[in-house]
Amino acid sequence: QKEVEQNSGPLSVPEGAIASLNCTYSDRGSQSFFWYRQYSGKSPELIMSIYSNGDKEDGRFTAQLNKASQYVSLLIRDSQPSDSATYLCAVLSNTGNQFYFGTGTSLTVIP
Amino acid sequence: DAGVIQSPRHEVTEMGQEVTLRCKPISGHNSLFWYRQTMMRGLELLIYFNNNVPIDDSGMPEDRFSAKMPNASFSTLKIQPSEPRDSAVYFCASSRPLGWGTEAFFGQGTRLTVV
Repeated sequence: QKEVEQNSGPLSVPEGAIASLNCTYSDRGSQSFFWYRQYSGKSPELIMSIYSNGDKEDGRFTAQLNKASQYVSLLIRDSQPSDSATYLCAVLSNTGNQFYFGTGTSLTVIP
Repeated sequence: DAGVIQSPRHEVTEMGQEVTLRCKPISGHNSLFWYRQTMMRGLELLIYFNNNVPIDDSGMPEDRFSAKMPNASFSTLKIQPSEPRDSAVYFCASSRPLGWGTEAFFGQGTRLTVV
């Protein structure tokens, strides 16, 4: 079993819709969770971090964490074509000594 | 801050040649990670350093790969001899002391092509 699992997609949504990206992790003791966005040919960039159960909102982005279910999600409201990218879920290990990344979900926002 | 700096951005080499990738982490960051990214396997951790000391190199695919961090501001990843299957994008990332609230910052990557 991989440490972090994501649906690879591709996920396509129309402009203005809500895009929902999901991630599960295996290390029950993990405390820190991250969403990175990676445009084609570019490096991953951090867009959200979340550490407590519940929702965390930042502009059009909302991260959701459920530690009991070992589940992290990212919602993108009012999706824009510029949101088209691969989204990587990352988890800091329980020992706090390395990051585990999912394989990413490819999102396309259709104008 | 200039961010994590990697060089070269692109490298094309012939099979059997030695390849050296370079990384300068963000000043003040004491953890450094080398990742390899391919379409098939995604982002794979190769090795990471804490305070210049290699902590976990279990992701290094084989003895042809080696990494060093002689000081807090410089790291290298060497492949000798290189093979076509090493073709990938190699990312270096750095972070502050690992723990609550730490995130990793990535360099722009080195796209390696071995022909």
